[in-house]
Amino acid sequence: ETVMTQSPATLSVSPGDRPALSCRASQSVSSNLAWYQQKPGQAPRLLIYGASTRATGIPARFSGSGSGTEFTLTISSLQPEDFAVYYCQQYLTWPWTFGQGTNVEIK
Amino acid sequence: EVQLVESGGGLVQPGGALKLSCAASGITFSGYWMHWVRQAPGKGLVWVSRINSDGTSTGYADSVKGRFTISRDNAKNTLYLQMNSLRVDDTAVYYCSRGGKGGVYVDVWGQGTTVIVSS
Repeated sequence: ETVMTQSPATLSVSPGDRPALSCRASQSVSSNLAWYQQKPGQAPRLLIYGASTRATGIPARFSGSGSGTEFTLTISSLQPEDFAVYYCQQYLTWPWTFGQGTNVEIK
Repeated sequence: EVQLVESGGGLVQPGGALKLSCAASGITFSGYWMHWVRQAPGKGLVWVSRINSDGTSTGYADSVKGRFTISRDNAKNTLYLQMNSLRVDDTAVYYCSRGGKGGVYVDVWGQGTTVIVSS
């Protein structure tokens, strides 16, 4: 099983900041990586797939990069509605696996 | 508008069974892989099971293999998850979800149904 490790577990930021969330895979997943956003009490929402392709309707301030084992989700200018938990997920090998999440909270 | 609506969750004793359903609307259901993903209280996301578009191929997490069965009825636009021999650690919100391009990530999520396994 491919283990996905996200860091940091919690990121304290202010609106307007440019946070970068990290995701590391225990083995190469090529570009088979997705990012999701989840707000309290809600279902997750797809942000990025293919490591860097924004899903339909996702604002351009969200960008994904990386390949192989190292990936980054960057939010160029954090908006109040972006405070949430973010998960990465690999889909190269079954079982598809998620990271444990990064909680982006208000500083 | 694409909608996935889960039902069938509830409280069940350890060793019991439940069958979850997910009604899809606004999509050509038969054209998509479908998935069940769960989230235990205060925890992260875990893939439970997947099924391809015509139901001929399925996959399960090791933790549920042999106990859970995923199936679909494309004529009824409905996805199912039969859960047997339930354990306390199966307690979670179960999300029905649609596979995106290639079926291997999720691009549409239901709101989830809660399963509580407790004596």
